[in-house]
Amino acid sequence: DTGVSQDPRHKITKRGQNVTFRCDPISEHNRLYWYRQTLGQGPEFLTYFQNEAQLEKSRLLSDRFSAERPKGSFSTLEIQRTEQGDSAMYLCASSLRENYNEQFFGPGTRLTVL
Amino acid sequence: DAKTTQPPSMDCAEGRAANLPCNHSTISGNEYVYWYRQIHSQGPQYIIHGLKNNETNEMASLIITEDRKSSTLILPHATLRDTAVYYCIVIKAQGGSEKLVFGKGTKLTVNP
Repeated sequence: DTGVSQDPRHKITKRGQNVTFRCDPISEHNRLYWYRQTLGQGPEFLTYFQNEAQLEKSRLLSDRFSAERPKGSFSTLEIQRTEQGDSAMYLCASSLRENYNEQFFGPGTRLTVL
Repeated sequence: DAKTTQPPSMDCAEGRAANLPCNHSTISGNEYVYWYRQIHSQGPQYIIHGLKNNETNEMASLIITEDRKSSTLILPHATLRDTAVYYCIVIKAQGGSEKLVFGKGTKLTVNP
């Protein structure tokens, strides 16, 4: 257990539905990252926050995706109008200012879109 | 960030040292080498990082060649629980987004 939690751990939804995932980082970590991982591939960066500010978004993050981190604590990732291609593991990570590259990952949320 | 090259898979006998290589021939002077691993169905886990000196912690040792174009992660006494995908990542020192760029990594299988 790294101290980063994600909820839910698994989500099965039908194409076209909206889904929302939550990430609770380690409390003193000011950076929070979202990654996506498909089968057989390494994780791919989606977006990151420094405190409550969203500072970078990957081009992988289409306009159907939105992420928030109100008050710089937990974060949510919402996918609207899900597509089968959204099926993946969604990973959250957090890190401290002293070493942003040492990121602590949560267990992930596995999304299956039918 | 510099690109890395790793073998897709390796095997190791339990109790023996596992030596995982990584090539990063285009690394620049302000880029660090980081290693993460991902055990099946878990999120990645940080192992170790270095700039140019060899590093050791409770999990592993990192050997970086003098020209910094390659490195080796050493698990001195591999156990079955070390079976995982190991990722070598080259990334700039603080000042950027510090987003990790993962390749496909090396799938290490530790055999009894």
